[in-house]
Amino acid sequence: GENVEQHPSTLSVQEGDSAVIKCTYSDSASNYFPWYKQELGKRPQLIIDIRSNVGEKKDQRIAVTLNKTAKHFSLHITETQPEDSAVYFCAASIGYSSASKIIFGSGTRLSIRP
Amino acid sequence: DSGVTQTPKHLITATGQRVTLRCSPRSGDLSVYWYQQSLDQGLQFLIQYYNGEERAKGNILERFSAQQFPDLHSELNLSSLELGDSALYFCASSVASGALSEQYFGPGTRLTVT
Repeated sequence: GENVEQHPSTLSVQEGDSAVIKCTYSDSASNYFPWYKQELGKRPQLIIDIRSNVGEKKDQRIAVTLNKTAKHFSLHITETQPEDSAVYFCAASIGYSSASKIIFGSGTRLSIRP
Repeated sequence: DSGVTQTPKHLITATGQRVTLRCSPRSGDLSVYWYQQSLDQGLQFLIQYYNGEERAKGNILERFSAQQFPDLHSELNLSSLELGDSALYFCASSVASGALSEQYFGPGTRLTVT
């Protein structure tokens, strides 16, 4: 069945350095790839997303890249700050006109060292 | 605040019991999604409703059921509860039914089965 693998499960970086989280998906029909950030005890919140017709998208310090051939997508956070500490989830979704099915990765716990 | 509300915030019940979790989507959103998040686990997609109709199913147990009412609020019913059902249950809503719509998550209901 559909599967999304996410690596690493934990990541610790020095404040100011970059962080990269990688995901692979199994279903080649996937056409939407959101990334969610979940702070401790809070709800997941969308931070960036990318559609299958785009290879890269950037929003300030956050960027996502997509390689459809390799079925691989990554989240890049530059100039990390303490408030970036959270669990990040990637997801792959297949969207149809009448339904959608979304599979989440297992999450990456990102810690920013001061 | 995402605009999605969930009640109750916390629920403690015993094994074998039945509970109902409630979700009200953002104003104007027609789709509701239910997710289960166990301790230190990722988000497991359970089921999606769009405008009152079931549209997609994930790994939802037969003991669980859901529905979406004409006013678009949704309820997730969990029966014959087991210890392993203890988790955080999120609902999310989006405007459309397709996966290319951003999902907005509610604050979650924390279920503890003793």
